[in-house]
Amino acid sequence: DQQVKQNSPSLSVQEGRISILNCDYTNSMFDYFLWYKKYPAEGPTFLISISSIKDKNEDGRFTVFLNKSAKHLSLHIVPSQPGDSAVYFCAAGGAGSYQLTFGKGTKLSVIP
Amino acid sequence: GAVVSQHPSRVICKSGTSVKIECRSLDFQATTMFWYRQFPKQSLMLMATSNEGSKATYEQGVEKDKFLINHASLTLSTLTVTSAHPEDSSFYICSARWTDTQYFGPGTRLTVL
Repeated sequence: DQQVKQNSPSLSVQEGRISILNCDYTNSMFDYFLWYKKYPAEGPTFLISISSIKDKNEDGRFTVFLNKSAKHLSLHIVPSQPGDSAVYFCAAGGAGSYQLTFGKGTKLSVIP
Repeated sequence: GAVVSQHPSRVICKSGTSVKIECRSLDFQATTMFWYRQFPKQSLMLMATSNEGSKATYEQGVEKDKFLINHASLTLSTLTVTSAHPEDSSFYICSARWTDTQYFGPGTRLTVL
C-alpha cells in the first residue's frame, strides 16, 4: 500500500512559468513533509519542508502548500528555470518513526 | 551545513567479493543514519535504519547477513555488501538525520560483474 503518492510521473513547463508538483498521502499520522530534488546518479537534495501545523512554507522560488483535510501537498516553483529540471520526490515523516516514506517521484522538465 | 559524504562514489567488483561503502556526516552528528537502494526509474527503497551504538533495523525482505551495517560513531555508518552478486548491482544512497530532516549522500554506484 503506497502511503505517499505522486501521480504524475512527469511534467513539462516553459521557462519562467510556474511548476506545480503534487503529492497525496494516506497516513493521517504523518506530521511533517519534505520535498527533495534529485539528478541522475546523485543523492537527493533537500529543498523545503513543512510541518503539519502549517499550511504554507516559502523559501525563495519554492513554496510548499499543505492541505491536511485533503491529505495533499504541492510544491510550487516560480519562476521555473532550466536548472530545475530533475526528479522531485515528496516524502512524509512522523507517525512515531524517524523514517521517511517517499513517493515515486515526478520528473520535471523546464523547457528554455 | 548538513553535508553528507559517501565513499566510494562508484565501485566495480567481481561476483563473490565484499564491498564496503562509507557514509559520513561532515558537519553534524547523526545518531540515526539510513541506507537506501534505488533501482532504475524507481523510488528510493529503504533498506535499513542505522543507530549509533546499536544494531541496525532492517526492512522486511532485506537480508541482514548480506548487507552488514555498522554505525560505530556519530559521524560514520558503513554498509558492507557481502558476497556480492550481479543482482546486487544498484545505486546505494545513505542519509543522516538532523532535526527532522534527512540529508543525503551523493550515492554509490555498485556494479558486480
